[in-house]
Amino acid sequence: EAQVTQNPRYLITVTGKKLTVTCSQNMNHEYMSWYRQDPGLGLRQIYYSMNVEVTDKGDVPEGYKVSRKEKRNFPLILESPSPNQTSLYFCASSLAGVGYTFGSGTRLTVV
Amino acid sequence: GESVGLHLPTLSVQEGDNSIINCAYSNSASDYFIWYKQESGKGPQFIIDIRSNMDKRQGQRVTVLLNKTVKHLSLQIAATQPGDSAVYFCAENIVGSNYKLTFGKGTLLTVNP
Repeated sequence: EAQVTQNPRYLITVTGKKLTVTCSQNMNHEYMSWYRQDPGLGLRQIYYSMNVEVTDKGDVPEGYKVSRKEKRNFPLILESPSPNQTSLYFCASSLAGVGYTFGSGTRLTVV
Repeated sequence: GESVGLHLPTLSVQEGDNSIINCAYSNSASDYFIWYKQESGKGPQFIIDIRSNMDKRQGQRVTVLLNKTVKHLSLQIAATQPGDSAVYFCAENIVGSNYKLTFGKGTLLTVNP
């Protein structure tokens, strides 16, 4: 089944403790992206990747890092999480900017 | 601010009625539009898309209309069912934006039995 898989689905962590949210897609898509979703603000892009080793900032990149060492994986790294990064995170992938398949989401709480 | 917006944040319809969800966009360079459905606790699910060289596209029970003159997009759902209850987002892609999608805030559709 063609899908985007995120892990974990839920995560509670403490301020400053580094964490990684994984994202993997099995559709051989070049393009991958991370979004966060907050009430009243909708979906906002954090980072995106056009292909392996090609990443760039989205609208809200502060406090996040990404890497794209393999085509299928696009992890989101929070080096020092803070409470304002409490949010619902979605990974998405697309073939040449068409379609965009989203993962099921990761609900992160930083206390 | 966001270049993609919605006219109504909530919409309540009776089962079997047709639903129309509207979306306005402000960037004339947008060339690709997508409608997503998001159910509670799930990720956005692709419904239908349309390119700027079209003004209408139909899927199963859904139709998307694009009016480039007034920069307006709508999603029509025929014979709305309880399973259609969800938040609906429109999203646009702007030419040269490296495939970035800009999302509207969403419309909550509630279908009453």
